[in-house]
Amino acid sequence: EAQVTQNPRYLITVTGKKLTVTCSQNMNHEYMSWYRQDPGLGLRQIYYSMNVEVTDKGDVPEGYKVSRKEKRNFPLILESPSPNQTSLYFCASSLETPGYNEQFFGPGTRLTVL
Amino acid sequence: GQQLNQSPQSMFIQEGEDVSMNCTSSSIFNTWLWYKQDPGEGPVLLIALYKAGELTSNGRLTAQFGITRKDSFLNISASIPSDVGIYFCAAGGNSGGSNYKLTFGKGTLLTVNP
Repeated sequence: EAQVTQNPRYLITVTGKKLTVTCSQNMNHEYMSWYRQDPGLGLRQIYYSMNVEVTDKGDVPEGYKVSRKEKRNFPLILESPSPNQTSLYFCASSLETPGYNEQFFGPGTRLTVL
Repeated sequence: GQQLNQSPQSMFIQEGEDVSMNCTSSSIFNTWLWYKQDPGEGPVLLIALYKAGELTSNGRLTAQFGITRKDSFLNISASIPSDVGIYFCAAGGNSGGSNYKLTFGKGTLLTVNP
């Protein structure tokens, strides 16, 4: 089944404790992206990757890191999480540019930073 | 970053009614997209629009790409209970940016009363 998977689905952590949210897609997509969703703010792009080893900042990259060492994986890293990073996170992928190709979203990761 | 103004923020309607929502921007975009998010899931693409003035239907859904390229609307006819969810507009490929970034509206929460 073609899909985007994220792990974990739920995570409660404490301020400053490094964490990684994994994202994997099995559709051989070139483009992958991370979004955060907050009430009243909609979806905001954190980082995106156009291909392996090619990443770029989205609209809200502060406090996050990403890497794209393999085509299928695009982990999101929070080196020192803070409470303002409590949010619902979505990974997404598309064949190429998301404006011209359907973007498939993962099921989401709900992160709480205490 | 770029902003999309999506309205209304929420709608509460009776089953069978028609629904209309729209998105506007101060910037010109080359692509307008409409997504739906069901509770507890990631957004799913409903309709994609690639040409100014384009009118596209998907079942009971109809969307149009504004002639100025600064707006789009989505209509849902004869609503049913499973139409409940959050509807997002998204736009890409604006003149000041790239096709690799999508900007999302803040969403319209639709509730359908059976």
